[in-house]
Amino acid sequence: AQSVTQLGSHVSVSEGALVLLRCNYSSSVPPYLFWYVQYPNQGLQLLLKYTSAATLVKGINGFEAEFKKSETSFHLTKPSAHMSDAAEYFCAVRRNSGNTPLVFGKGTRLSVIA
Amino acid sequence: EPEVTQTPSHQVTQMGQEVILRCVPISNHLYFYWYRQILGQKVEFLVSFYNNEISEKSEIFDDQFSVERPDGSNFTLKIRSTKLEDSAMYFCASSDQGGDIQYFGAGTRLSVL
Repeated sequence: AQSVTQLGSHVSVSEGALVLLRCNYSSSVPPYLFWYVQYPNQGLQLLLKYTSAATLVKGINGFEAEFKKSETSFHLTKPSAHMSDAAEYFCAVRRNSGNTPLVFGKGTRLSVIA
Repeated sequence: EPEVTQTPSHQVTQMGQEVILRCVPISNHLYFYWYRQILGQKVEFLVSFYNNEISEKSEIFDDQFSVERPDGSNFTLKIRSTKLEDSAMYFCASSDQGGDIQYFGAGTRLSVL
């Protein structure tokens, strides 16, 4: 079975500050990991993915995440927050074979303060 | 850029009524999914569909639910007799043969009164 835990349902940062959104996973098989972002009244948009290649993954809008097997973590970071980063962020895991379902975390709402 | 389209954006229905949620996946995609998110809870997988049949389903997807690809473009989720607890945001997603990435629609908010 697989699961995802996102620490912090709400994170607030100042504009220009570091963004760190935490995600820990549990998986009995090597996982594929994803971060999705949801802006108000929009669908889930893929930010980045880890599919067993490089452990440091770069995504859109300046975000990146590092897969750490020893810590079972896949935290999302961005060096400098922008007002437009305010959104809901979801970490997700799935089995690395076939077109398998995503298992999501509860999401973290990011607020950016001017 | 191709996108997954869901209609309607908001559906209000009375308990016990049937609803059909509609999705138009990305045109060359072969795998289709429905997820839902009850307010304040996780996004949960309901069902996946490939080659005109269900490939995987969760415990949530009971006999009240069904999916169909009635033509070459639409993918629908039917709830036969809605319950209050079916109130949620329902997301459709699709992926191509490689399947690494699932592309999501904007969702349909279902309100059961």
